[in-house]
Amino acid sequence: AQKVTQAQTEISVVEKEDVTLDCVYETRDTTYYLFWYKQPPSGELVFLIRRNSFDEQNEISGRYSWNFQKSTSSFNFTITASQVVDSAVYFCALSGTASKLTFGTGTRLQVTL
Amino acid sequence: ETGVTQTPRHLVMGMTNKKSLKCEQHLGHNAMYWYKQSAKKPLELMFVYSLEERVENNSVPSRFSPECPNSSHLFLHLHTLQPEDSALYLCASSQDRTGFFYEQYFGPGTRLTVT
Repeated sequence: AQKVTQAQTEISVVEKEDVTLDCVYETRDTTYYLFWYKQPPSGELVFLIRRNSFDEQNEISGRYSWNFQKSTSSFNFTITASQVVDSAVYFCALSGTASKLTFGTGTRLQVTL
Repeated sequence: ETGVTQTPRHLVMGMTNKKSLKCEQHLGHNAMYWYKQSAKKPLELMFVYSLEERVENNSVPSRFSPECPNSSHLFLHLHTLQPEDSALYLCASSQDRTGFFYEQYFGPGTRLTVT
């Protein structure tokens, strides 16, 4: 069975602070994919990134960056210079060769002025 | 036009009612999904359709009945629901035909309240 753990239930930061959302996963598959989704108050989950298990390069997209480390089974997400519009629930998810997509319980990020 | 639309956005129904949730995707995807999102629980995958064929049913009670008439439309028919079925029901689509390796695109959800 596979599992995704997002230990941080809720994080509050002040605008312009950097914040890292943690994601730790468990799987027996050698080929798998990791995802991050954002769920703003409007409800729909918005896809942010997909990473396969063979690509450990870190990725940066604007203020967003992702750190994938197979050695620690982690796929952490950092927002640099956070903004109020970043307030949302963020989900990490894992999909393996033999297993369906498993979501973590999410981290609620609150960015205040 | 947004990629995945869902109607209605909000629904209140009694336990003896019958209602349907509708989802439509405009992305040309092959797979569609229903998820249930309850407070303080991970997203629960309910059903998966690939090319209009149901490929997954995650032990969902029979009071939930999905229908996929074509690759762009997905319905969830509801009858004799229980209060614990109150939740946000999310529809999603993806290119994926047989697995879950592609990102999914979600609709805004239907907030269902069962009284």
